[in-house]
Amino acid sequence: QSVLTQPPSVSAAPGQKVNISCSGSSSTIGNNYVSWYQQLPGTAPKLLIYENNKRPSGIPDRISGSKSGTSATLGISGLQTGDEADYYCGTWDSSQSAGVFGGGTQLTVL
Amino acid sequence: EVQLLESGGGLVQSGGSLRLSCAVSGFTFSNYAMTWVRQAPGKGLEWVSTLSGSGDVTYYAVSVRGRFTISRDKSKNTLYLQMNSLRAEDTAVYYCAGGRIGGGNFCVDPWGHGTLVTVSS
Repeated sequence: QSVLTQPPSVSAAPGQKVNISCSGSSSTIGNNYVSWYQQLPGTAPKLLIYENNKRPSGIPDRISGSKSGTSATLGISGLQTGDEADYYCGTWDSSQSAGVFGGGTQLTVL
Repeated sequence: EVQLLESGGGLVQSGGSLRLSCAVSGFTFSNYAMTWVRQAPGKGLEWVSTLSGSGDVTYYAVSVRGRFTISRDKSKNTLYLQMNSLRAEDTAVYYCAGGRIGGGNFCVDPWGHGTLVTVSS
């Protein structure tokens, strides 16, 4: 059972938009920045979003992040088959002095 | 170019020890917190441990506290994870990563390719 809760899977058609949620608590998301990671099959995770809504260099603007209270959301618009991957949210748990990841969400582009 | 290259994974018996290494190039240790993240077969990511950029503060997941030790050798630009009293549930791919952690921040990047640790019971 992860400290951060994500839906196990989401799906959408090519070209559509999908939102992936990440729910935490006041000691996690509520008082810390959230980051998001994409993991393609058989590869290492890749940073997509940091500090709730900032994109690293090279990440397209169809990728977005937001945070409200103790929840965060990753948005991916203009879906492509290449977006099929597992997505993880991550943050710091101030009460445990520990990093935490969500359980991951598998995105299927139908 | 930033590169993180893990090594030291392998097969070990339950109760045994293993030391993972992560050779870093392209960035300065003191500017980044260094982190180990693991992923059991078919499972999600699990944060394991972080060493502050200053090198004097360490953090550990409850599941490994007292058994694992994170450290670095600045002269060799290498991060280590000493793993003792290994259990079957420690079986995973272990990723080395840099990033900014602390002060409300949690940004893990860049990542290495990972090294597989298998603990046989």
